[in-house]
Order: sequence, then C-alpha cells, then structure tokens
Amino acid sequence: DQQVKQNSPSLSVQEGRISILNCDYTNSMFDYFLWYKKYPAEGPTFLISISSIKDKNEDGRFTVFLNKSAKHLSLHIVPSQPGDSAVYFCAASANSGAGSYQLTFGKGTKLSVIP
Amino acid sequence: DTGVSQDPRHKITKRGQNVTFRCDPISEHNRLYWYRQTLGQGPEFLTYFQNEAQLEKSRLLSDRFSAERPKGSFSTLEIQRTEQGDSAMYLCASSLAGTGNTEAFFGQGTRLTVV
Repeated sequence: DQQVKQNSPSLSVQEGRISILNCDYTNSMFDYFLWYKKYPAEGPTFLISISSIKDKNEDGRFTVFLNKSAKHLSLHIVPSQPGDSAVYFCAASANSGAGSYQLTFGKGTKLSVIP
Repeated sequence: DTGVSQDPRHKITKRGQNVTFRCDPISEHNRLYWYRQTLGQGPEFLTYFQNEAQLEKSRLLSDRFSAERPKGSFSTLEIQRTEQGDSAMYLCASSLAGTGNTEAFFGQGTRLTVV
C-alpha cells in the first residue's frame, strides 16, 4: 500500500509559466514533508520542506502548500525554467516524539519545461 | 566537496557474488540512511543509523543484507549471494540530529547490476 502518491507520472510546462506538482498521502502520522529533485544518474537533491504546523513555505521560485485535512501537498514553481526539468519526488516522515526518521517517497513526477 | 560520497558509482557483479558499498556522510551529520531505488519507483528506506547504532531496519533488508557504521563515521552496505532482483540504485543519505526536523542529503548513489 503506497502511503505517498504522486498520481501524475509526467508534466510538461512552457518556460515562464507555473508548474504545479501534486502529492497525496494516507498516513495521518506524517508530520514533515519534503520535495526532492532528481536528475538522471544523480542522487535526489533537497528542494524545500514543510512541517505539519504550517500550510505554506516559500523559497524563491518554489512554494509548497500543505492541506492536512485533504492529506494533500503541492509544489509550485514560478516561473518555470528549462533547468527545472527533472524528476520531482514528494517524501514524508513521522518524526514526532520517538517517531521514525525514515522518509517515505512517492514514485515521482517527471517535469519537462519547454523553452 | 563536502557532500555525501558513495563508492563505487557503478558495480556489475555475477549472481551469487558478494558486494560491498561505502558511504561517507557529511562530516558533522550523525544520522545516516540507506535507501534503494528501482526503475520507476521512488527511493525505499532500508536502514538508519544514529552515530554507530543501527536504529531501524526495513523488512526489505533481508538476511543477505548487512550494514555497519563503525565509529559513527562512514558506513558500509554488504549484500551477500547477490540475486538479479538486487539490481538497483543504492542511495546513502545523511542528516543532522536536532530539536526540529532536518532534511536528509543524498549521495549520487551506487548502481548495482547483477548479471
């Protein structure tokens, strides 16, 4: 049973427009969420995170929104650039108290930004 | 470069052979993780160390897998009697323990091919 779901395997966006990547989760114990970007033949690179006590976190062109009641988060990239083309992974962990520090990942969404 | 370093980057081995991978985490990080990623999937958690203590192991980590982190610095992951199903990218990550959530930084991975 997949606890973190990224239902869109791929997304194409025109350069300069907004990219919206979505992620749903089922485990209500998750309290920390992260987005990673991965280029081919490289390890995932941390992008942005959000704690469950917040509903928005912004870092430059990247904003993550968390809707706890819907168990949904999204990553917005504005404006999108060709260098953003990569696979984006949503990840979650349940760190509260003596919780686990392992990350549970979705299957990823391949973003293509078209010049 | 002070990022997470993994060696080797690629390993081709015959079925039944033993292989060992090494991970050097970011020097001040006391948490170290091993993940496995297969084609079309997100990384899957294998095991986690805090300093030299192995605190969590996934059910994915069969008896043929063993991980160590002597002295709480570098870590090794050994796979005995390799099978074709072990072919995957093996990722190491590290993070800094703190009072809040901290993101994990990944190495570039070791790609294992079992023939």
